[in-house]
Amino acid sequence: GEDVEQSLFLSVREGDSSVINCTYTDSSSTYLYWYKQEPGAGLQLLTYIFSNMDMKQDQRLTVLLNKKDKHLSLRIADTQTGDSAIYFCAGIRGGSYIPTFGRGTSLIVHP
Amino acid sequence: EPEVTQTPSHQVTQMGQEVILRCVPISNHLYFYWYRQILGQKVEFLVSFYNNEISEKSEIFDDQFSVERPDGSNFTLKIRSTKLEDSAMYFCASRAGTYPYEQYFGPGTRLTVT
Repeated sequence: GEDVEQSLFLSVREGDSSVINCTYTDSSSTYLYWYKQEPGAGLQLLTYIFSNMDMKQDQRLTVLLNKKDKHLSLRIADTQTGDSAIYFCAGIRGGSYIPTFGRGTSLIVHP
Repeated sequence: EPEVTQTPSHQVTQMGQEVILRCVPISNHLYFYWYRQILGQKVEFLVSFYNNEISEKSEIFDDQFSVERPDGSNFTLKIRSTKLEDSAMYFCASRAGTYPYEQYFGPGTRLTVT
């Protein structure tokens, strides 16, 4: 089955860019997602990328996909304190549409 | 914007007791899910439900768990005899049947077993 790995923590200064990285194992993953979880809340879908794309941009968010290395990243431009949260990478297992989540990266934005 | 809701937000129960966690998925969605997240750990898939039956379940979803869609709106997770290790945040999710297949999550129910 799919395995998804992420680094656990990232600390950035307000206004800087954040880059959160993720690696996955299942090369048949068709969709890859980034979810955001704020304290005490559920997971909120931020963005997704289809496996035949290399890049997707959505306002301050840029997703890069390197299929050869099975590496996914989320770049947040001009990071704000409101971006402080846990960010989960998830991939869909081929055929079942059930996402496998990484452990989540805790993004801390300080002034 | 439509959203998934869950009740209660926090449930405290004694070991061995039965609990029912409730969810109201988004109304036109067809696929329903339960996940759990033990504090500080990964979000783990428990079960998926489609067309009034379980379509897939994980190893965690053993005989003490059951799911039901008793009417057109609610989706429930029952834990028959709770154990201490069932303490976790339980998330319900739903999705439509179309691209890009994203799931919408509820805010979760924190279950504490004492």
